[in-house]
Amino acid sequence: SQQGEEDPQALSIQEGENATMNCSYKTSINNLQWYRQNSGRGLVHLILIRSNEREKHSGRLRVTLDTSKKSSSLLITASRAADTASYFCATGQAGTALIFGKGTTLSVSS
Amino acid sequence: GAVVSQHPSWVICKSGTSVKIECRSLDFQATTMFWYRQFPKQSLMLMATSNEGSKATYEQGVEKDKFLINHASLTLSTLTVTSAHPEDSSFYICSARDQRTENEKLFFGSGTQLSVL
Repeated sequence: SQQGEEDPQALSIQEGENATMNCSYKTSINNLQWYRQNSGRGLVHLILIRSNEREKHSGRLRVTLDTSKKSSSLLITASRAADTASYFCATGQAGTALIFGKGTTLSVSS
Repeated sequence: GAVVSQHPSWVICKSGTSVKIECRSLDFQATTMFWYRQFPKQSLMLMATSNEGSKATYEQGVEKDKFLINHASLTLSTLTVTSAHPEDSSFYICSARDQRTENEKLFFGSGTQLSVL
């Protein structure tokens, strides 16, 4: 089963613009993770935010978490064409599989 | 980070044949691996949890006799799609955790695109 929804489903922007993706989940969590998938490839871990954290940064990535609303957002600043990919949020307990959201397909044009 | 190798990358087969997909953890041991399935433009759906030395745990709605999982060693899990039919055509991805250092994030294979004619 899927954990929740991401929105938007698809996002098209120009290089240099910021991209924001949102994720909602249903159950209580220990952490929430974001992954990236290039077309036809496996997923790559981007960032993990714990339930007691509200915001986390990694390079051009900024993740926020609002446990009261059961939602998270991923912001990619100064987007590049190479950021074109699908982005998924995921949750799960330690030692168990992750459950993924529906994903946002990001297209960055130069 | 840890590396998970998945083979083959793509396979085309005739209806009724069986296809085996291998998933290897190259530089770490994985007592547990996870198999996902992904249809075009959709999310990953967990199929089963593969446990080294014991039976796999299948998600509801996944036929265990259709999707045979073997996890015979700490570095290898295999998924065999038996008597494949066109509706089994999909992208299959395996993943594992490196419990030495990263007990929460998953490392993924590059996926296998299965096309059943």
